Amino acid sequence: QQQVKQSPQSLIVQKGGISIINCAYENTAFDYFPWYQQFPGKGPALLIAIRPDVSEKKEGRFTISFNKSAKQFSLHIMDSQPGDSATYFCAAQIQGAQKLVFGQGTRLTINP
Amino acid sequence: DAMVIQNPRYQVTQFGKPVTLSCSQTLNHNVMYWYQQKSSQAPKLLFHYYDKDFNNEADTPDNFQSRRPNTSFCFLDIRSPGLGDAAMYLCATSRDYSGANVLTFGAGSRLTVL
Repeated sequence: QQQVKQSPQSLIVQKGGISIINCAYENTAFDYFPWYQQFPGKGPALLIAIRPDVSEKKEGRFTISFNKSAKQFSLHIMDSQPGDSATYFCAAQIQGAQKLVFGQGTRLTINP
Repeated sequence: DAMVIQNPRYQVTQFGKPVTLSCSQTLNHNVMYWYQQKSSQAPKLLFHYYDKDFNNEADTPDNFQSRRPNTSFCFLDIRSPGLGDAAMYLCATSRDYSGANVLTFGAGSRLTVL
């Protein structure tokens, strides 16, 4: 119930391509869905987040698509660049609750 | 720049030798968290403080303890490190629990146990 399942575990995309990472959840009480980006040797940093009252949120090349009925959300990176190579974690939270539940992470590699 | 600073960045210890990791923040956030992250895994919450109120996760081993002497500092003590405790330890802060809980992470302390 408290899990967030993330796929794929690793992803290789050519420069300029679209990177897509998917997450699914079970707990319908979750109402805040952030994505964190982590570079090697660094802590995760908030990239973009969405609430379930909207189906899509876009910030620059990064877009979250949210499907409430399917309990799924995904991160799309348009025009992927080598600098986007990092590990991406989706997460979910009940707003006002103490705990953020992380997905297992996706290691993204963008080939030049 | 307001930030979360962890020391040391790299810590090598021997099996069973106590270790203390520190975290300081200039964000004046109420909540401070300690996460354990093993290679290629998601961060796992160990415990957190809301101000001075300590909240332990049910599955955090007794071997892990924490102290928060003031708003700015938080410490993670590993009393008798085992080989399975080798990991990156991440400190994070958030303003409070209300609304979207945006976490600000430090760069982490990587622990090696010999």
